[in-house]
Amino acid sequence: DAGVIQSPRHEVTEMGQEVTLRCKPISGHDYLFWYRQTMMRGLELLIYFNNNVPIDDSGMPEDRFSAKMPNASFSTLKIQPSEPRDSAVYFCASSFRTNTGELFFGEGSRLTVL
Amino acid sequence: AQSVTQLGSHVSVSEGALVLLRCNYSSSVPPYLFWYVQYPNQGLQLLLKYTTGATLVKGINGFEAEFKKSETSFHLTKPSAHMSDAAEYFCAVRQGGKLIFGQGTELSVKP
Repeated sequence: DAGVIQSPRHEVTEMGQEVTLRCKPISGHDYLFWYRQTMMRGLELLIYFNNNVPIDDSGMPEDRFSAKMPNASFSTLKIQPSEPRDSAVYFCASSFRTNTGELFFGEGSRLTVL
Repeated sequence: AQSVTQLGSHVSVSEGALVLLRCNYSSSVPPYLFWYVQYPNQGLQLLLKYTTGATLVKGINGFEAEFKKSETSFHLTKPSAHMSDAAEYFCAVRQGGKLIFGQGTELSVKP
C-alpha cells in the first residue's frame, strides 16, 4: 500500500506569491495532520482533521495560512501571501482512529520563500 | 497539557557503543509515548511506542525504551550503535487526538 504522498517535494517561490502544498493520506485513515519543521522551532502541529473536518487549528500561525480537506483522500495547505519566515519543511501525516496514536508521515515538502 | 523534553540536542557515540537518548514527559493522565526517527530528507518513522502493559518496549532496528512512571521518563537505548543509526530522534506524547513532539536529538555515530 502506498504511504502518505506529498507534493511538491521542493518549492522555491518569491515573497508574496501563493503556495499550495498537497497531501494524499493513506487509504482508510481518518485523521490527517499538517506539521511544520524548522531548525528554530522544531516540529509544530499546524492543524489536524478527523473525517475531513478540522478539529484543531490552533497551531496555524496566522490568517495567511489555510488548510482544507475536501474529501478523505486529499488535503491542501495554502499560504497566501508567502513570506521568507514561512520557509520550512511541511509534513503531512495520517492515522487511523488514533487508538494507538501512531502517525504515518509523508516525505515532506521543502518550501523556500525568497 | 502534555509535553515532552528531550535532554541533549546532539549526542555523539562511537560505533559499537551504547546509545542512550533521554526523554522526560509531563502528563496528567497515563501517557501514550512514542519514539520516531527521521533520516535526512525523509519523513518521520515510528521506532516504538508505549501504550499500556509491559513497560519495556522493543522497537525496530534493535532499539528499546523503558517507561518509568516514577521518573516520568521514556529513555531510548540501543546496546551497540551502528553507522546507519545516525539520524534525528523524536520523543512524542499523545494529547487527545494529536502527538506533541520534543525538540529532537541528533545522533551522530563515529567510526
